[in-house]
Amino acid sequence: AQSVTQLDSHVSVSEGTPVLLRCNYSSSYSPSLFWYVQHPNKGLQLLLKYTSAATLVKGINGFEAEFKKSETSFHLTKPSAHMSDAAEYFCVVSAHGSSNTGKLIFGQGTTLQVKP
Amino acid sequence: EAGVTQFPSHSVIEKGQTVTLRCDPISGHDNLYWYRRVMGKEIKFLLHFVKESKQDESGMPNNRFLAERTGGTYSTLKVQPAELEDSGVYFCASSQTRTVMNTEAFFGQGTRLTVV
Repeated sequence: AQSVTQLDSHVSVSEGTPVLLRCNYSSSYSPSLFWYVQHPNKGLQLLLKYTSAATLVKGINGFEAEFKKSETSFHLTKPSAHMSDAAEYFCVVSAHGSSNTGKLIFGQGTTLQVKP
Repeated sequence: EAGVTQFPSHSVIEKGQTVTLRCDPISGHDNLYWYRRVMGKEIKFLLHFVKESKQDESGMPNNRFLAERTGGTYSTLKVQPAELEDSGVYFCASSQTRTVMNTEAFFGQGTRLTVV
């Protein structure tokens, strides 16, 4: 079975400082991992995805994530936070198996606050 | 290109009433998924359609929930009768191919359901 754990429910940073949102996964298979973001009153938007290619994945808006199999982690980072980055972020793993339906398994979410 | 659209955006109903949520996927997307986020919990999978067929409904909580996708286009999710614990945000997503390895699941803005 697959699962993801987001280690922080809330993260607060100052504008211009680095962002780190932590995620650990559990998977019996080689996982497909994603980060989604939800801004207030908006739908979920894909930031980036890892599907067994390069371990360092670059996404939109300057975000990137590194897949570390030895640590079962897929942390999301950004060098410099912008006010517009304030949102809720979800680490997601795709459920694999014989059915391989594309079902997604979500972490609990991390709310990012960016202070001026 | 229009994204995934969900109606209504908000719904407040009394316990015991019936509510029907609608999802219009992106045109041409055969795969349609319903997810739900109950207050304070993670987003959880409900079910998956491929065209008009239910591929996986393992996440449906009980028989008060009925999902349909007549003609393989839009989908409805009916809750009858609604209970207090059904309150939450219901998300719909669509994708072109069944696996998310090489495609993206696009999400709607969600329907916030409040049962009082």
